[in-house]
Amino acid sequence: AQSVTQLDSHVSVSEGTPVLLRCNYSSSYSPSLFWYVQHPNKGLQLLLKYTSAATLVKGINGFEAEFKKSETSFHLTKPSAHMSDAAEYFCVVTLSGGYNKLIFGAGTRLAVHP
Amino acid sequence: ETGVTQSPTHLIKTRGQQVTLRCSSQSGHNTVSWYQQALGQGPQFIFQYYREEENGRGNFPPRFSGLQFPNYSSELNVNALELDDSALYLCASIPDSNTKEAFFGQGTRLTVV
Repeated sequence: AQSVTQLDSHVSVSEGTPVLLRCNYSSSYSPSLFWYVQHPNKGLQLLLKYTSAATLVKGINGFEAEFKKSETSFHLTKPSAHMSDAAEYFCVVTLSGGYNKLIFGAGTRLAVHP
Repeated sequence: ETGVTQSPTHLIKTRGQQVTLRCSSQSGHNTVSWYQQALGQGPQFIFQYYREEENGRGNFPPRFSGLQFPNYSSELNVNALELDDSALYLCASIPDSNTKEAFFGQGTRLTVV
């Protein structure tokens, strides 16, 4: 069975400092991994995805994530936080293949302070 | 903008009532999934439809049902509403199984009182 654990429920950073949101996954098969962002009163937006190509994945708004199979991790990073990055972030796993069920982590709320 | 629209945006229902939530997917996206997001939690998979047939279901009781139509619209129906059904309901439109990328609507906030 697949599962996702987001290691921090809340992360607080100052504007201009690096962001690290941690995610560990469990999957018996080759997983596809995603990070989604949810701003208040808005739907989910895809930041980036890993689907067994390059292990370092670049996404929108300067975010990137590295797939580390040996550590079963898929941490999200950004070199310099912006106030507009404040939101809820979800790490998501799904199986490669035909079935599209997305399994979400519990989420990490990112706060960015001036 | 994801091209996926949901209606209504907010809804208040009484326990025991029935509710229908609607979603309009992107044209050409044959797969639609529905998710329930309780307050402070990640979304949970309810079920998925592919070309008008249910082809996957999460751990939700039969009073949660759905329909998908040829015009890329879909419905989520919930009967005998319970207080715990209060949540944000999200519709996801998926172009094909190979890309795995899901495009989400803004959701319908359901409150059961």
